[in-house]
Amino acid sequence: EAGVVQSPRYKIIEKKQPVAFWCNPISGHNTLYWYRQNLGQGPELLIRYENEEAVDDSQLPKDRFSAERLKGVDSTLKIQPAELGDSAVYLCASSLSGGANTEAFFGQGTRLTVV
Amino acid sequence: AQKITQTQPGMFVQEKEAVTLDCTYDTSDPSYGLFWYKQPSSGEMIFLIYQGSYDQQNATEGRYSLNFQKARKSANLVISASQLGDSAMYFCAMREPWDNYGQNFVFGPGTRLSVLP
Repeated sequence: EAGVVQSPRYKIIEKKQPVAFWCNPISGHNTLYWYRQNLGQGPELLIRYENEEAVDDSQLPKDRFSAERLKGVDSTLKIQPAELGDSAVYLCASSLSGGANTEAFFGQGTRLTVV
Repeated sequence: AQKITQTQPGMFVQEKEAVTLDCTYDTSDPSYGLFWYKQPSSGEMIFLIYQGSYDQQNATEGRYSLNFQKARKSANLVISASQLGDSAMYFCAMREPWDNYGQNFVFGPGTRLSVLP
């Protein structure tokens, strides 16, 4: 079974340019997470979806970040315009909804460098 | 307030020795799950072990075990017989009830483990 797939793996852009990341979760996983991980730190939640609904986007900088999960399957995270401080690894994860014992499965991440 | 605290930014252990990585958490909910993930330099997040708040016994998974002290709100990871391949970042995470839509999943800042030959 395929795991969580993210693309691209690496992206280098100039500041003020737009960028988009794509995530395809594990089939059947209702919950999808986008995390940002700065170097040497733990992942920080940006947005969480239950099916197609964003149920927690309180940490998403809405002036420049947007996300969508059409049809409750794959998801796109966009930054426009990018700033130098957005350089980080963007991780997508998915899990089954429900009990406290459901682990999250992670993609390999997209390493964004803004120059 | 931090929900997950990992007080050891870095740890060193000799190969074949055991090591304990600390994790304390903060929640007022009686139902929650605690997870440990390993992140090697390649960047992937690898699930290691899970402990439920109602579990009576400490979780074990091969060389990994969890020292769960509920009253102290700690869930320390014990790695026995360390191997060079254990060198990585280790993250403690907690899943707790959030709202009617499901559960949130938060991570600690991590501990970098280095295994010495």
